[in-house]
Amino acid sequence: NAGVTQTPKFRVLKTGQSMTLLCAQDMNHEYMYWYRQDPGMGLRLIHYSVGEGTTAKGEVPDGYNVSRLKKQNFLLGLESAAPSQTSVYFCASSYYRDSPHGYTFGSGTRLTVV
Amino acid sequence: EDQVTQSPEALRLQEGESSSLNCSYTVSGLRGLFWYRQDPGKGPEFLFTLYSAGEEKEKERLKATLTKKESFLHITAPKPEDSATYLCAVPGGNQFYFGTGTSLTVIP
Repeated sequence: NAGVTQTPKFRVLKTGQSMTLLCAQDMNHEYMYWYRQDPGMGLRLIHYSVGEGTTAKGEVPDGYNVSRLKKQNFLLGLESAAPSQTSVYFCASSYYRDSPHGYTFGSGTRLTVV
Repeated sequence: EDQVTQSPEALRLQEGESSSLNCSYTVSGLRGLFWYRQDPGKGPEFLFTLYSAGEEKEKERLKATLTKKESFLHITAPKPEDSATYLCAVPGGNQFYFGTGTSLTVIP
């Protein structure tokens, strides 16, 4: 099983450029999440989805958009990148809200905005 | 406001030297407390879920315990391969709130 796959693994953007991060899961999970991880701040939720065609804002949604057109894919978009968006981005998925097995995470995308 | 605090931030142990990591939480209506392990350059990996005070879960050299206000991750006779960052998290609303983690280094 591939689990949760994130692409790309690394990216350098110039301020103002746009990009899309792709997350794909093959576990038939309903819930999918995008987190960012910054030193000293832990994992913070950007956006999440409770099923195909749904999205909702998390703790730090500004500057990001998401789409869940297919159940297995969850896309995170940056329309106009800013240096404050330099971070490691993790996608995660779960069967349902409080799954006893927690989340399955991808291996992350390291994004640098210069 | 739901909150998760982990201590210490970093811990260095000699191989075989047992210790404990702490996770304290404030959440209304605990729906579980989750422990994860994160290796450098990788995503967190699920370890345990605890639901009620007094509950314990074990996996190899790790044992997680839960009280009404905190959880402990006990590491018995650690090995260098136990070196990682350990995260705890509690669900709140439709998301998990993660602590900032304890970075554990086990020296051979």
